[in-house]
Amino acid sequence: KAGVTQTPRYLIKTRGQQVTLSCSPISGHRSVSWYQQTPGQGLQFLFEYFSETQRNKGNFPGRFSGRQFSNSRSEMNVSTLELGDSALYLCASSLVTSGVYEQYFGPGTRLTVT
Amino acid sequence: AQSVAQPEDQVNVAEGNPLTVKCTYSVSGNPYLFWYVQYPNRGLQFLLKYITGDNLVKGSYGFEAEFNKSQTSFHLKKPSALVSDSALYFCAVRDGNTDKLIFGTGTRLQVFP
Repeated sequence: KAGVTQTPRYLIKTRGQQVTLSCSPISGHRSVSWYQQTPGQGLQFLFEYFSETQRNKGNFPGRFSGRQFSNSRSEMNVSTLELGDSALYLCASSLVTSGVYEQYFGPGTRLTVT
Repeated sequence: AQSVAQPEDQVNVAEGNPLTVKCTYSVSGNPYLFWYVQYPNRGLQFLLKYITGDNLVKGSYGFEAEFNKSQTSFHLKKPSALVSDSALYFCAVRDGNTDKLIFGTGTRLQVFP
């Protein structure tokens, strides 16, 4: 089975622009979660989607949004980029949302905002 | 609120020696605990998980973790470290109320030849 794929792997944007990141989960996985990883803040949860519905949301401003399509692929969008948005954005998929199921992570998208 | 703590930013160990990476947790209800490893420029890889049952959980790459309910700890261990084990290790707990995965701050393991 192919793993979680994320595109693009690297991205450079300027302040004020917007960006869309894409995540394709493992085949059969219906839950997709997004995380932001920075050296200062560590891994922070952004949101989780299951069957095209946002199930959980972290403490990020409304500039961060996401969606999930019927084939479970997910996108996240960041509008009006700020320098502090520079980070590694990780997507993870799992079979279901609850309890015992581990998440499988993609390689991430490295976003640099200049 | 659910949380995990990894008290050590970095752990240094000589190749061939046993290693321990520490994790303590705070949860209400039954803890679902995980360990992940991150190599440079890669995403996180699942190592092992504790749901219930035996306190010693075996995982990938020869790693194991010991669940201790009285000490609320879930330390990662390996009997004999390899240089290739050098990476960033994350402990995580599943929030029983929201099902969100809550990560610790990570511990960098450095194994010296």
